[in-house]
Amino acid sequence: DVQMTQSPSSVSASVGDRVTITCRASQGISTWLAWYQQKPGKAPKILIYGASNLQSGVPSRFSGSGSGTDFTLTISSLQPEDFATYYCQQGNSFPYTFGQGTKLQI
Amino acid sequence: QVQLQESGPGPVKPSETLSLTCTVSGASITNSYWTWIRQPPGQGLEWIGYAYYSVSTNYNPSLKSRVTISIDTSKHQFSLRLTSVTAADTAVYYCARLIRGIERRFDLWGQGTLVTVSS
Repeated sequence: DVQMTQSPSSVSASVGDRVTITCRASQGISTWLAWYQQKPGKAPKILIYGASNLQSGVPSRFSGSGSGTDFTLTISSLQPEDFATYYCQQGNSFPYTFGQGTKLQI
Repeated sequence: QVQLQESGPGPVKPSETLSLTCTVSGASITNSYWTWIRQPPGQGLEWIGYAYYSVSTNYNPSLKSRVTISIDTSKHQFSLRLTSVTAADTAVYYCARLIRGIERRFDLWGQGTLVTVSS
């Protein structure tokens, strides 16, 4: 299985800050990488797919980059509704696997 | 508007079978990959497997011996069956649509249902 490792596990930030979350795959996955946002008690929501493609309806302050084994999710200017847990997920090979999550706190 | 809704009988006893159903509305059930994902309390996400129009299935090897995912097109539903459950199977179970191809992602999710395994 492809192991996905996110860093940091948690991060504290303020409204207006720029935040970057990193995801590393245990082997090359090309750009088969998606990012999800999950709020407490809710299902995950797709933000980014194909490493850098913004899902329709997702604000443009979210962006993704990377290929191979190293990927980043950047939120350019944090808004109050962005405080949540973020997960990366590889879609290169089955079983599809997720990172352990990064909790973004105020 | 596409919606997914999980349903199930509630708590399950150890060694018994967990059965959940996901009802799909607003989308064709015959040309998509339907999947189950679970999340133990306070933990991360685990992909369980998918079914595609009764043509193919693919399961996580960690669960493969105990899992069956099936589709009932007449009811617009797909189901999860997990046998011989233990406390480690306690989790929120989500149904989701998997987009394959070059835009692969889980694009639609149900709200999730908590299944507790306890005697």
